[in-house]
Amino acid sequence: QQQVKQSPQSLIVQKGGISIINCAYENTAFDYFPWYQQFPGKGPALLIAIRPDVSEKKEGRFTISFNKSAKQFSLHIMDSQPGDSATYFCAASKSGSARQLTFGSGTQLTVLP
Amino acid sequence: DAGVTQSPTHLIKTRGQQVTLRCSPKSGHDTVSWYQQALGQGPQFIFQYYEEEERQRGNFPDRFSGHQFPNYSSELNVNALLLGDSALYLCASSLIGRGGSGANVLTFGAGSRLTVL
Repeated sequence: QQQVKQSPQSLIVQKGGISIINCAYENTAFDYFPWYQQFPGKGPALLIAIRPDVSEKKEGRFTISFNKSAKQFSLHIMDSQPGDSATYFCAASKSGSARQLTFGSGTQLTVLP
Repeated sequence: DAGVTQSPTHLIKTRGQQVTLRCSPKSGHDTVSWYQQALGQGPQFIFQYYEEEERQRGNFPDRFSGHQFPNYSSELNVNALLLGDSALYLCASSLIGRGGSGANVLTFGAGSRLTVL
């Protein structure tokens, strides 16, 4: 059972553009929603995370938008750079199982110079 | 400050064999979680170890087992290997009991890529 659905599978953006990746979840018990960035040959690294008590969180060029009623959240990368080219995973977990993350299937982002 | 280290980096096994993967957590971390990442997919949670005990387990068969040592390092064992076990196995460490947003921060290693022929 895929509890976190992620789209698109791949995304190509011009340098300076906005990259948007979307995720939807099914389990209403989820209360922690991180985004991970993975470069080839590396493990995933935490990029930014949000809890459902806020609708938006911004860190530098990265913003998470969260819609609790729709059970959706998204990652926006402003002023996308070639160095942002990587695979991005959304994830979710619930209280008491903070380290048991359920990941989306990933989005391969390519930022063209 | 060393992050999470995993060994071996790559290995090839044949069906029916057994494999052991090793993980040293980030300095100061006491909890180790293991994930399986199939090619082109997101990581899937296998299990978590804390205080040398398995605390949580995902939807994986008993062929997958683990161990945590007093120094917090961990091993993942897979018996009776199947072709479908071919994947990148990721170890992630964290510090349990750390309040606030830091409690959920997992630090991942680069993984051990297992190929089963």
